Amino acid sequence: QSALTQPRSVSGSPGQSVTISCTGTSSDVGGYNSVSWYQQYSDKAPKLMIYDVTKRPSGVPDRFSGSKSGNTASLTISGLQAEDEADYHCCSYAGSYSCVFGGGTKLTIL
Amino acid sequence: EVQLVESGGALVQPGGSLRLSCAASGFDFRIYWMTWVRQAPGKGLEWVANINTDGSVGFYVDSVRGRFTISRDNAKNSLYLQMNSLRAEDTAIYYCARPPNWGTFDYWGQGSLVTVSS
Repeated sequence: QSALTQPRSVSGSPGQSVTISCTGTSSDVGGYNSVSWYQQYSDKAPKLMIYDVTKRPSGVPDRFSGSKSGNTASLTISGLQAEDEADYHCCSYAGSYSCVFGGGTKLTIL
Repeated sequence: EVQLVESGGALVQPGGSLRLSCAASGFDFRIYWMTWVRQAPGKGLEWVANINTDGSVGFYVDSVRGRFTISRDNAKNSLYLQMNSLRAEDTAIYYCARPPNWGTFDYWGQGSLVTVSS
C-alpha cells in the first residue's frame, strides 16, 4: 500500500499544455484500468476529473485527458487557464477492495 | 442532487476515541459501497476504508486496521467511522466518498477535521 509517485509541482503558461505523471507498480496502476484523477482547490473537497484512465465525467472540459503506459498514468491539461491552478491527485485500484492515492501535484499557472 | 455531509470531527487526546458520521442524500444509498478518505495537513489524499452495500464487510488501510471500524445504517442513509486508539498521525480532514466502481470516487463530502493532540 505504498503511495503512487507524482511530481510535487508543475507549471505552465496560459494556453500551454502540461502533463502530470503518476507512477505505481504492476500491483496497482499497471495491473488495472482503474486510475482516476481529482482536482482540489485549497480547503475544498476533491473533484473527479478523469476515471477508468481515460474517461471524463459529464461537465469536465475536454481539455483534460488521461492516459496510461505500463505502471505510469498521466493527466494532460491542454489550453491552460487560470482556473486550472489547483492540486491534482491520482488514484488507482490496488486489488483486495483497496485504493492507493498519489502524493498530489501542485499546478501553478505562470 | 447527491449530497454527503460529514460530522463529528473534534480535538481529541492521543489514545482517545471519536466517531465520524456521514449523512447521504440524493441517491439510493443501499446499492453503493462507501469509502472514507483522509488528508493530513499539507499532504496528499489517503484511502482509509471501504464498506460493502449491506455493511457486512469492511476493508482498511494497514495503518488503521484494528483501530478503526467502518459501518453503515442503510435505514438512516448514514456511514460511520469509529476511530479508537487515536494517534497524532491520524490528524487529518476525513472525507466520505462514493465509489461507483473500483478506484473512482464521484461524490465527496466537505470533510470533517480530526485533530489528535494533547
